[in-house]
Amino acid sequence: AQSVTQLGSHVSVSEGALVLLRCNYSSSVPPYLFWYVQYPNQGLQLLLKYTTGATLVKGINGFEAEFKKSETSFHLTKPSAHMSDAAEYFCAVRTAAGNKLTFGGGTRVLVKP
Amino acid sequence: DTAVSQTPKYLVTQMGNDKSIKCEQNLGHDTMYWYKQDSKKFLKIMFSYNNKELIINETVPNRFSPKSPDKAHLNLHINSLELGDSAVYFCASSHQGANTGELFFGEGSRLTVL
Repeated sequence: AQSVTQLGSHVSVSEGALVLLRCNYSSSVPPYLFWYVQYPNQGLQLLLKYTTGATLVKGINGFEAEFKKSETSFHLTKPSAHMSDAAEYFCAVRTAAGNKLTFGGGTRVLVKP
Repeated sequence: DTAVSQTPKYLVTQMGNDKSIKCEQNLGHDTMYWYKQDSKKFLKIMFSYNNKELIINETVPNRFSPKSPDKAHLNLHINSLELGDSAVYFCASSHQGANTGELFFGEGSRLTVL
């Protein structure tokens, strides 16, 4: 079985400050890892993904995440927050052979001017 | 062009009624999903179909019945609606053969049961 834990249901950052969203996963086999973003009243959009290869992955809108197998983590960062980054962020995991994408509980990001 | 489209976007109905939500994807994917997002934003998979065949059926009341007439469509019918069914239902699709498993989501259908 696989699971995802996102530490912190709400994160508040100032515009221009670092955004750090934490994600830890549990999987018995090598995982595929994803970060999705959900803007208000919209569906989920893929920010970035890790499957194999380079452990630091870059996504859209200046976000990046690093897969750390030893820590079973896939934290999401952005060096400088923008007002438009205010949204709900979801970490998700699936296995290479699996059909199911399992989501964490989500982290709401608030950006203060 | 909308890749994954759901209708209706909003649905308000009384307890005990039956309602359906439709989903269509034009991405050429072979796998489609229904996810439920509750009021706390928690996302949980309900069903998945691959080429019209049910492959994931989570612990969902049998009042919920998915139907996939072809691989581009996956509908969700709900009988005898209850207050606890109020949620946002998301349809998604993916290509099972791809090695990334990325899901593409619709914009959601917000169901409110009164």
